[in-house]
Amino acid sequence: KAGVTQTPRYLIKTRGQQVTLSCSPISGHRSVSWYQQTPGQGLQFLFEYFSETQRNKGNFPGRFSGRQFSNSRSEMNVSTLELGDSALYLCASSQDRPGETQYFGPGTRLLVL
Amino acid sequence: DAKTTQPPSMDCAEGRAANLPCNHSTISGNEYVYWYRQIHSQGPQYIIHGLKNNETNEMASLIITEDRKSSTLILPHATLRDTAVYYCIVRAHNNAGNMLTFGGGTRLMVKP
Repeated sequence: KAGVTQTPRYLIKTRGQQVTLSCSPISGHRSVSWYQQTPGQGLQFLFEYFSETQRNKGNFPGRFSGRQFSNSRSEMNVSTLELGDSALYLCASSQDRPGETQYFGPGTRLLVL
Repeated sequence: DAKTTQPPSMDCAEGRAANLPCNHSTISGNEYVYWYRQIHSQGPQYIIHGLKNNETNEMASLIITEDRKSSTLILPHATLRDTAVYYCIVRAHNNAGNMLTFGGGTRLMVKP
């Protein structure tokens, strides 16, 4: 079974631009979560989607948004990029039963110049 | 989810057992202990999890104290490829979703 895939793997943007990242979960997984990892703040939860609905949300500004499609694929969008948005963005998927293990993708490394 | 405390770094000789401790003194009865590791710039990799009994799989063993306030992840024969940051996380198994709260983790350096 293929793992979680994320595209693109690397991205360079400039301040003020917007960016969309994509995540394809493991087949059969309906829950998709997004995390941001920076050297200063570590791994932080952004949001979780299940059945095309946002189920949980972390403490990030409204510039960070996401959505999930009917095939469980998910995208996250960051608008009006800031230098501090430079980070590794990780996606994780799981089956939707309590306690199911989350499996992470390789991440998208975003650099904002 | 309960907070965890881990040493920031540890060294281990190649071929020896690596014992990574985690303190979770405020863990609740319905919270499980999970371990993930992250090799440099890759996505976190699931290792093992448990509730109160010791667990073993092909990657590691998890020892949870009887009072469940702490646990130890054991890599029985560490290799250079086990060099990574190891995260101990506690989370409840409920319908509230799948959010994981990561702490700082332990940076394990396996040395030849």
